[in-house]
Amino acid sequence: EAEVAQSPRYKITEKSQAVAFWCDPISGHATLYWYRQILGQGPELLVQFQDESVVDDSQLPKDRFSAERLKGVDSTLKIQPAELGDSAMYLCASSSGQGDQETQYFGPGTRLLVL
Amino acid sequence: GQNIDQPTEMTATEGAIVQINCTYQTSGFNGLFWYQQHAGEAPTFLSYNVLDGLEEKGRSSSFLSRSKGYSYLLLQELQMKDSASYLCAVKNSNYQLIWGAGTKLIIKP
Repeated sequence: EAEVAQSPRYKITEKSQAVAFWCDPISGHATLYWYRQILGQGPELLVQFQDESVVDDSQLPKDRFSAERLKGVDSTLKIQPAELGDSAMYLCASSSGQGDQETQYFGPGTRLLVL
Repeated sequence: GQNIDQPTEMTATEGAIVQINCTYQTSGFNGLFWYQQHAGEAPTFLSYNVLDGLEEKGRSSSFLSRSKGYSYLLLQELQMKDSASYLCAVKNSNYQLIWGAGTKLIIKP
């Protein structure tokens, strides 16, 4: 069964350091999402890609966060510099399109702890 | 603003039935999703409703009333492994997925 892959699964870093997360969506899925989820809350969309283009990054803190999907396949999310408040689960999801019936499938997530 | 409301926590007994409610106010509607999320893991897709009525899938059913902005997830024959958070999410007119905070379901023997 096709799955969304993410790495690393866990990351501990000190504030002001740079961190990067990687995501490989389900093969053939054109739409890729990065979410941040704080414990006890629902996922918060950071950025959405359609192929290699950004569709929505309105909630991405662009002073420290960046995301790319250069070849329209896998994607990297970077935080530089990391802050204490960035500690959260970072989830990647993919879907085959953007329509109403398109289900998003999630990877296992990267749990980030900033010390 | 856009809002999804679900109870924060519910408790049920193994073997019983539980109904988790979700009410929403969004800019337009293009479908409602239910996801299950075990602690420390990613959400997994459970169900999708876009028309009014009940969708049944194994031990779970999901109901939608668009006129009332209301959905529920019904879980039957509860098992200990059903202990998880259940997230309600609505696709608005811009096809953005608006997420609720989730309902933590605790199953007791």
